[in-house]
Amino acid sequence: DGGITQSPKYLFRKEGQNVTLSCEQNLNHDAMYWYRQDPGQGLRLIYYSQIVNDFQKGDIAEGYSVSREKKESFPLTVTSAQKNPTAFYLCASSNSPGLISGNTIYFGEGSWLTVV
Amino acid sequence: RKEVEQDPGPFNVPEGATVAFNCTYSNSASQSFFWYRQDCRKEPKLLMSVYSSGNEDGRFTAQLNRASQYISLLIRDSKLSDSATYLCVVPDSNYQLIWGAGTKLIIKP
Repeated sequence: DGGITQSPKYLFRKEGQNVTLSCEQNLNHDAMYWYRQDPGQGLRLIYYSQIVNDFQKGDIAEGYSVSREKKESFPLTVTSAQKNPTAFYLCASSNSPGLISGNTIYFGEGSWLTVV
Repeated sequence: RKEVEQDPGPFNVPEGATVAFNCTYSNSASQSFFWYRQDCRKEPKLLMSVYSSGNEDGRFTAQLNRASQYISLLIRDSKLSDSATYLCVVPDSNYQLIWGAGTKLIIKP
């Protein structure tokens, strides 16, 4: 079945460590996104990529990095510079880069990151 | 003013009742609007899209008021399974999605 796979689902990080969240899609979508969600909050855009080897910062990119070496993969690294990384991270993809309507965006199941 | 604003709730509603909540938005140029449902600790899932004055799908009705810049979601004959957080989503001027913080709905037996 086509879809988006995120891993790991749960991750614990020690302060000062970098961690990488994996996101893989087999939907042949050009655009991929990373969102962060804090308790009681909406989704905030971290980074997005509309094509391989290209990506742009979202609203809260500081302390994060991404790469897009392959169309199907868009990993997110949470660096030690991110001071409050504990959150729910959602990866998404879309077949409509630039203009994304709600009914063309697909989400992975999310990754829970906790700093210990 | 926040770009997309929702009453966080929670709305506590008896099973079978009708419930409605609103979402206000600031981008007057927005042409499309979306309601997503999010269950606890899960990813959001699309519930309804609104491109004109409104949309209806079974027990769910979404209505758009462009003059006052809000969209509403009405749920009739509510079920226990309707308990979730409902997220309002509006594209900004750069066509990126702006997400509301969500309205929590609790349906009680």
